[in-house]
Amino acid sequence: EAQVTQNPRYLITVTGKKLTVTCSQNMNHEYMSWYRQDPGLGLRQIYYSMNVEVTDKGDVPEGYKVSRKEKRNFPLILESPSPNQTSLYFCASSPAGGGTDTQYFGPGTRLTVL
Amino acid sequence: AQSVTQPDIHITVSEGASLELRCNYSYGATPYLFWYVQSPGQGLQLLLKYFSGDTLVQGIKGFEAEFKRSQSSFNLRKPSVHWSDAAEYFCAVAPGSGDKLTFGTGTRLAVRP
Repeated sequence: EAQVTQNPRYLITVTGKKLTVTCSQNMNHEYMSWYRQDPGLGLRQIYYSMNVEVTDKGDVPEGYKVSRKEKRNFPLILESPSPNQTSLYFCASSPAGGGTDTQYFGPGTRLTVL
Repeated sequence: AQSVTQPDIHITVSEGASLELRCNYSYGATPYLFWYVQSPGQGLQLLLKYFSGDTLVQGIKGFEAEFKRSQSSFNLRKPSVHWSDAAEYFCAVAPGSGDKLTFGTGTRLAVRP
């Protein structure tokens, strides 16, 4: 089944404790992206990747890191999480062409930073 | 600055009633326009998109949207709502092909039995 998977789905952590949210797609898509969703703000892009080893900042990259060593994986790293990073996070992928290609979203990761 | 606005935060309709969700954008030229739906506990799914051509676009699940250049709008419609349509709906816009999507703040739809 074609899909985007994220792990974990739920995570509660404490300020400053490094964490990684994994994202994997099995559709051989070139483009991958991370968003955060906050009430009243919609989805905002954190980072995106047009291809392996090519990543770039989105609208709200502060406090986040990403890497794209393989086409299928695009982990999101929070080196020192803070409470303002409490949010719902979505990974998405698309065949090519950036945001205007149909994006396929993962189920989301709900992160709480205490 | 370029932006996309969904003026309705919450909408409640009765099952079987018609639905229209509003989306307005502020871009210089005709952008690429999308509607995504987020069912409870799930990721977003594309309902439909408009790039050019016929201004009335058909999507999945019986939804359609109409692009109106004069009003800078791309409203989503459905003639008869089903209980399973209860979800959050996002309008999204990109200036051109390959550009980054900007999402609206979403409209949460509730369906009365």
